[in-house]
Amino acid sequence: KNEVEQSPQNLTAQEGEFITINCSYSVGISALHWLQQHPGGGIVSLFMLSSGKKKHGRLIATINIQEKHSSLHITASHPRDSAVYICAVRLIGNQFYFGTGTSLTVIP
Amino acid sequence: DAEITQSPRHKITETGRQVTLACHQTWNHNNMFWYRQDLGHGLRLIHYSYGVHDTNKGEVSDGYSVSRSNTEDLPLTLESAASSQTSVYFCASSPRAMNTEAFFGQGTRLTVV
Repeated sequence: KNEVEQSPQNLTAQEGEFITINCSYSVGISALHWLQQHPGGGIVSLFMLSSGKKKHGRLIATINIQEKHSSLHITASHPRDSAVYICAVRLIGNQFYFGTGTSLTVIP
Repeated sequence: DAEITQSPRHKITETGRQVTLACHQTWNHNNMFWYRQDLGHGLRLIHYSYGVHDTNKGEVSDGYSVSRSNTEDLPLTLESAASSQTSVYFCASSPRAMNTEAFFGQGTRLTVV
């Protein structure tokens, strides 16, 4: 049983499309992170959320603590957004649990 | 700039050999973590440390060990490498405070033949 579930697992979009990636979790958390991993690359933190909504450029992340759900949105998607997006939750005890990732491919 | 670095980036080793992967961070973070990443699984926790001389087992700790002799380093040792330990390994660090960012190394791709 995964404490963190992401959907979809794979996503292909045309350049310019609006993209949504979802994350649900089943444990009590202190924060939720959205991470980005390019093929063969390291992992970069995009957002850390404990409530509400955050925006950075074309990326928007929201979290609903009561429903234990978060979404990552990409507006006006671009081929350089192609990557694996990982949802991670930070437990009260400082450990992290990770989703299996959503592989996004944006086609020109 | 502060950073977290892993070395080597790529390693091929033979079954049964002892291997050590290095992780070094310059943020002075208390918390350090080792994960492995395999297809079909999320990142899985191997070992973690909340400070000098503190080490704890994660969910997939069998066959691995760590030591924390200073704040900056958490080396991961595979006592006797097995083919099942072929994976990509990520080190991460974070401050002790709850609502803070975690930072990840670039990863080490280990192949056990």
